[in-house]
Amino acid sequence: AQKITQTQPGMFVQEKEAVTLDCTYDTSDPSYGLFWYKQPSSGEMIFLIYQGSYDQQNATEGRYSLNFQKARKSANLVISASQLGDSAMYFCAMREALLGGYNKLIFGAGTRLAVHP
Amino acid sequence: GAGVSQSPSNKVTEKGKDVELRCDPISGHTALYWYRQRLGQGLEFLIYFQGNSAPDKSGLPSDRFSAERTGESVSTLTIQRTQQEDSAVYLCASSLQEGAFEQFFGPGTRLTVL
Repeated sequence: AQKITQTQPGMFVQEKEAVTLDCTYDTSDPSYGLFWYKQPSSGEMIFLIYQGSYDQQNATEGRYSLNFQKARKSANLVISASQLGDSAMYFCAMREALLGGYNKLIFGAGTRLAVHP
Repeated sequence: GAGVSQSPSNKVTEKGKDVELRCDPISGHTALYWYRQRLGQGLEFLIYFQGNSAPDKSGLPSDRFSAERTGESVSTLTIQRTQQEDSAVYLCASSLQEGAFEQFFGPGTRLTVL
């Protein structure tokens, strides 16, 4: 069965510093995708970044980058130059591409990031 | 443009009562997903719609849970005879088509069962 593990319940970072949020996954499917979502206290889920299993390069979106290490089955999120507005819950998720072609997302338990001034 | 909307934003009910949660996906999005998020946890998949049919109901936790979608638009998640363990945030997401990677989430409905 597919599984996402986020081992850091909480992380602290100083404003303007970089922070890495860990995510490991388990799947036997050769084709999969990995997502990171941000959930502020308001509750909405905000898509940050996506990495496909066949992508040769690590995904980047502005201050977000995904450190994809396929052999180690890890997909860590790196946030550079942290801002106070980055304080939120962060979820790693894996796309389970099923025979019907749709994408059921399997989520980790999340990491709560607090950015200090 | 308009995103995914859900109503009500909050629902408090008594144990044993039925509740209906509504989701309006982004116009033109054919794929629709329901997830549940218990306090302090990640999201759990409940059900997937492609158009008006639900090919995957595998995440529904019991037969007290059901969902329907009409007109390839609005979806309703119904929980009958609510229990305290049903208390959670119920999130709806839509995507342009069944194979599209990105799912756009609504703000969720916070359900509290007393």
